[in-house]
Amino acid sequence: EILLTQSPATLSLSPGERATLSCRASQSVNNYLAWYQQKPGQAPRLLIYDASNRAPGIPARFSGSGSGTDFTLTISSLEPEDFAVYYCQQRQFWPPLNFGGGTKVESK
Amino acid sequence: EVQLVESGGGLIQPGGSLRLSCAASGFIVSSSYMSWVRQAPGKGLEWVSLIYSGSGSTYYADSVKGRFIISRDTSKNTLYLQMNSLTAEDTAVYYCARGAVAARFEYWGQGTLVTVSS
Repeated sequence: EILLTQSPATLSLSPGERATLSCRASQSVNNYLAWYQQKPGQAPRLLIYDASNRAPGIPARFSGSGSGTDFTLTISSLEPEDFAVYYCQQRQFWPPLNFGGGTKVESK
Repeated sequence: EVQLVESGGGLIQPGGSLRLSCAASGFIVSSSYMSWVRQAPGKGLEWVSLIYSGSGSTYYADSVKGRFIISRDTSKNTLYLQMNSLTAEDTAVYYCARGAVAARFEYWGQGTLVTVSS
């Protein structure tokens, strides 16, 4: 079973700042990693798939990078609507299809 | 437009059964990889089950294997989750999700809350 560890658990930033979120896999998942955004009371939304591909309709300020075991989600300049919880998820080896524990991006 | 609408959640006693439905529109359920993902109150996301496009092969998380059954009805374009022997640990919002690729969750429903309590 592949475990995904996200860090930090909470990121306190101001609008306009750059956010860097990390996801580390317990073994290589090649590039089969996705990122999701979830706002309170809402369903998750796919942001990035296969490590670096933006899903349709996702703004260019969101970017993903990495391969193997270390991945990064970057939000280049935080907008007010970007404050949310972000999850990574691997699909290299499954079942199970694991998610990371999440990173909460909160307003400072 | 792709839409997923879950229903069937509610309050159920421990040991009981419940069937969740996910009505799909804008695409064909049997041609997609469909999953159930749950989220316990205040917790993260937990994948529950997946049914393969075409073949209908099914996969389950260990926590629900032997108790939950995922299925689909082509004529109704609907996904189901039959949940048996429910425990308090099954309390969660249950989301259905669709992927054009196996194990990718591209579209999500709004979720349905299942509460297991006496």
